[in-house]
Amino acid sequence: QKEVEQDPGPLSVPEGAIVSLNCTYSNSAFQYFMWYRQYSRKGPELLMYTYSSGNKEDGRFTAQVDKSSKYISLFIRDSQPSDSATYLCAMSVGTYKYIFGTGTRLKVLA
Amino acid sequence: DTGVSQDPRHKITKRGQNVTFRCDPISEHNRLYWYRQTLGQGPEFLTYFQNEAQLEKSRLLSDRFSAERPKGSFSTLEIQRTEQGDSAMYLCASSLESGVGNQPQHFGDGTRLSIL
Repeated sequence: QKEVEQDPGPLSVPEGAIVSLNCTYSNSAFQYFMWYRQYSRKGPELLMYTYSSGNKEDGRFTAQVDKSSKYISLFIRDSQPSDSATYLCAMSVGTYKYIFGTGTRLKVLA
Repeated sequence: DTGVSQDPRHKITKRGQNVTFRCDPISEHNRLYWYRQTLGQGPEFLTYFQNEAQLEKSRLLSDRFSAERPKGSFSTLEIQRTEQGDSAMYLCASSLESGVGNQPQHFGDGTRLSIL
């Protein structure tokens, strides 16, 4: 079993939809939770960075962490075709070694 | 803030050759990380530096791999006697560790290595 599990998709949604992306994990020691967006042939771009449990909102993006269920989510409101990319969750115990999920491919259809 | 810069963007080489990649971190960042990403997978941690000191190496980093960060600025990752299985995207990231607050890692666009 992998430490971090993420559905690879692809996930196709119409423009304007609310997108929900999720990861589950097995290591209860994880404290830092990140979401990255990766376009084809590009590096991961940081979207959200949270410590411990709770919600964090930034523009159209909301990150949720539920440590009791070992489950994290990223919500994208009013999705746009430009949001089409692979979304990677990442977690760490300390601050240096990130453990990534496999990524979910998202397609937002115009 | 010019971001993390990696060079070259793409390297094609024959099996058995040595290759070297370079990473220039965000200028004020004291931590630098190397990851490897294969198709359809997330990045996997290889090693990291705090200033010029290499503090941890993954068991993925075989003895054919060596990384340096002289003077705590740019870093190089060298792979000797390349093998087919080394074909991947090699990503560099950097962050600022100040002891006051932990900052996230920011990634470059990677070097894509193709072994013929």
